[in-house]
Amino acid sequence: DTEVTQTPKHLVMGMTNKKSLKCEQHMGHRAMYWYKQKAKKPPELMFVYSYEKLSINESVPSRFSPECPNSSLLNLHLHALQPEDSALYLCASSQAYTDTQYFGPGTRLTVL
Amino acid sequence: GESVGLHLPTLSVQEGDNSIINCAYSNSASDYFIWYKQESGKGPQFIIDIRSNMDKRQGQRVTVLLNKTVKHLSLQIAATQPGDSAVYFCAEKGQTGANNLFFGTGTRLTVIP
Repeated sequence: DTEVTQTPKHLVMGMTNKKSLKCEQHMGHRAMYWYKQKAKKPPELMFVYSYEKLSINESVPSRFSPECPNSSLLNLHLHALQPEDSALYLCASSQAYTDTQYFGPGTRLTVL
Repeated sequence: GESVGLHLPTLSVQEGDNSIINCAYSNSASDYFIWYKQESGKGPQFIIDIRSNMDKRQGQRVTVLLNKTVKHLSLQIAATQPGDSAVYFCAEKGQTGANNLFFGTGTRLTVIP
């Protein structure tokens, strides 16, 4: 089973709202990732968690706050976003640093 | 930093023909490359990967070729089917010790029935 699940599938929020994106995998993978993908562009790495610890933050603004409650779950907390943050947010996981990353279907976020 | 690019943004092929999607990279120290397929409204789907100690790797209907001399990567799809229509990304593993991928710009493949 190489499934990564993400909820919600779609999210519309105002600039003053607080919301969270969720990602889950049950493959026993120890590394999890958040990517942002704008329309007609490739995915861009935001955060990397390894063994539930944040290992990479690609200079992401503080209005995005990641959280890894356990080895199967990854959250992305959103607060005071801007319209330009509207994008597809992808979660991925891999067995370890050196292994293939498997992506979830993404959450389509629209900020009004 | 790494730079991964594709030669053509779009490619149209007839159903049943073979497709070739190309990718150039700039970091000669890169040692791991992956091809992903992304259909509309979905996340990237792993197709095939290759390490720098190999020149060629084959999967089901797909072959990846790596030419380290000219830093070029290609994905060949045999007997292309309508279900192959998607955006294809090559990705390069970063060299910072972690598994951060750098994606190319993508090629949209359209299969004409």
